[in-house]
Amino acid sequence: DQQVKQNSPSLSVQEGRISILNCDYTNSMFDYFLWYKKYPAEGPTFLISISSIKDKNEDGRFTVFLNKSAKHLSLHIVPSQPGDSAVYFCAASKGSAGNMLTFGGGTRLMVKP
Amino acid sequence: GAVVSQHPSRVICKSGTSVKIECRSLDFQATTMFWYRQFPKQSLMLMATSNEGSKATYEQGVEKDKFLINHASLTLSTLTVTSAHPEDSSFYICSASIAGQLNEQFFGPGTRLTVL
Repeated sequence: DQQVKQNSPSLSVQEGRISILNCDYTNSMFDYFLWYKKYPAEGPTFLISISSIKDKNEDGRFTVFLNKSAKHLSLHIVPSQPGDSAVYFCAASKGSAGNMLTFGGGTRLMVKP
Repeated sequence: GAVVSQHPSRVICKSGTSVKIECRSLDFQATTMFWYRQFPKQSLMLMATSNEGSKATYEQGVEKDKFLINHASLTLSTLTVTSAHPEDSSFYICSASIAGQLNEQFFGPGTRLTVL
């Protein structure tokens, strides 16, 4: 049973527009959420995170929104740039499990010039 | 800071041989290291969690005798794929977490294993 799901395997966006990547989770014990960016044949790089006590966290062009009641989070990238083209993974953890992360299946973002 | 390296970055081996992959935290002490496997176009699958000086905890379905993990020091963990077969071909990624800093993992660049 997938506890973290990214239902869109791919997303195509025009340069300069907003990219919205979605993630849903089922385990209400998750209390910390992260987004990672991954290029082919490389390890994931950390982008942004949010604690369950917040509903929004912003860092430059990246904003993560958390809706706990819906068990849903999203990553907004504004404005999107061609260099943002990559696979984005959302991940969740629960404090009782230390640093163990549960990853979603990933969404491939393609930003077209 | 918080750099994790992996060696080798790419390895090709014959079926039946063993391959060792190293994961090092370069500028911090990692009390916990994680090993993931990624199949093409799929997500990261956690294989095992290792804490320095203790036995690794393997996820369900991962053969501990086939994927040997050693975490001998706070900066080094190794994954040995024993008697490798073509179905073991995959992208293996390690990550490390810093003691006291929960919820964050720093990932290595990954190792592409191809078993002929």
